[in-house]
Amino acid sequence: GAVVSQHPSWVICKSGTSVKIECRSLDFQATTMFWYRQFPKQSLMLMATSNEGSKATYEQGVEKDKFLINHASLTLSTLTVTSAHPEDSSFYICSARDIKQGHQPQHFGDGTRLSIL
Amino acid sequence: GQNIDQPTEMTATEGAIVQINCTYQTSGFNGLFWYQQHAGEAPTFLSYNVLDGLEEKGRFSSFLSRSKGYSYLLLKELQMKDSASYLCAVMDSNYQLIWGAGTKLIIKP
Repeated sequence: GAVVSQHPSWVICKSGTSVKIECRSLDFQATTMFWYRQFPKQSLMLMATSNEGSKATYEQGVEKDKFLINHASLTLSTLTVTSAHPEDSSFYICSARDIKQGHQPQHFGDGTRLSIL
Repeated sequence: GQNIDQPTEMTATEGAIVQINCTYQTSGFNGLFWYQQHAGEAPTFLSYNVLDGLEEKGRFSSFLSRSKGYSYLLLKELQMKDSASYLCAVMDSNYQLIWGAGTKLIIKP
């Protein structure tokens, strides 16, 4: 089945550090990838929709200058949390959709747990 | 606006059956999805309904009524490992997923 690989799975770093998270679709092409954030005991919150070769679409309240998204190819999207602070600590999850299967589900990566000290 | 409603939490006994309901109001409809999410993990796909009726897949079944904007996920022969959050999501006319807040299912021995 479709596989999405997300790295790293766990990051602990100091406040002010920038952190890059990669999301790869391993066995299918994904024109669209999604970035979610989930705080403990809360629901998934869509941060942005990433389209290959174009600018990402950010949800209301998400700072595009702080959460930089690059979708340079049909199999790779990256999220960079710039100058991260403790309030950015969260579980970040990417997902991707196979362009050949419009109605098929999004496939999720395993998530990245980000802890800012 | 777009809205997905599902109960916040449910409790059931090991070996029993539980039904998790989901109602929705969205701009367009291109299918309804159920995902399972264990604590600290990413969601995993369970089922997809786009036509009215029941889809059965092992111990899990999902039902859809488009006219009522209603779906349910039925879990049979509950096991302790079924303790998780169950997320209902609807794909709208733009093929974007609209997520419910999830139902936390607690299984007791």
